[in-house]
Amino acid sequence: QQQVKQSPQSLIVQKGGISIINCAYENTAFDYFPWYQQFPGKGPALLIAIRPDVSEKKEGRFTISFNKSAKQFSLHIMDSQPGDSATYFCAGTGSGNTGKLIFGQGTTLQVKP
Amino acid sequence: GAVVSQHPSRVICKSGTSVKIECRSLDFQATTMFWYRQFPKQSLMLMATSNEGSKATYEQGVEKDKFLINHASLTLSTLTVTSAHPEDSSFYICSARAAGNTIYFGEGSWLTVV
Repeated sequence: QQQVKQSPQSLIVQKGGISIINCAYENTAFDYFPWYQQFPGKGPALLIAIRPDVSEKKEGRFTISFNKSAKQFSLHIMDSQPGDSATYFCAGTGSGNTGKLIFGQGTTLQVKP
Repeated sequence: GAVVSQHPSRVICKSGTSVKIECRSLDFQATTMFWYRQFPKQSLMLMATSNEGSKATYEQGVEKDKFLINHASLTLSTLTVTSAHPEDSSFYICSARAAGNTIYFGEGSWLTVV
């Protein structure tokens, strides 16, 4: 009930391409879905987040698509750049979780120049 | 975005000693902070939830007497690794909950026990 499943585990994309990372959640009480970007040796940085009352949120080159009925959400990185190479984590939480994030397993993205 | 500061960023300690890691929310108050541990190439593992003014809530399998958590104010939580051993060497990361359930992470602290 608490799991967030993330795929793929690793992803290689050419510069300028679209990177797509998918997540699926089980807990229907979740109402906040953030994505974090983590560079080696650094803490995760909040990238973009969505709540279930919208189906899509876009910030610059980053877009979250949200499908409430399927309990799935995805991160799209448009015009991927080598500087986007990092590990990306999706997560879910709800007010009942006191803010406790349930993380996906992470996706290591490599953008080739 | 909001800033969460961790200190020290790197620490080396001798086996058997204790080490304290601080987590501060710099521009917001956080009644709830979280402590995670991360092994190389793995996801973050929640260790405990730190609540201001009350006892921390530990996840299953985390020794509360070994990983002491204190949340003395609305902007500061500390994690003390007591009687550290080499297997405690890891990357420890804190996070703090801001308004709207938004969670911000610190930069992490590398602990090496020799």
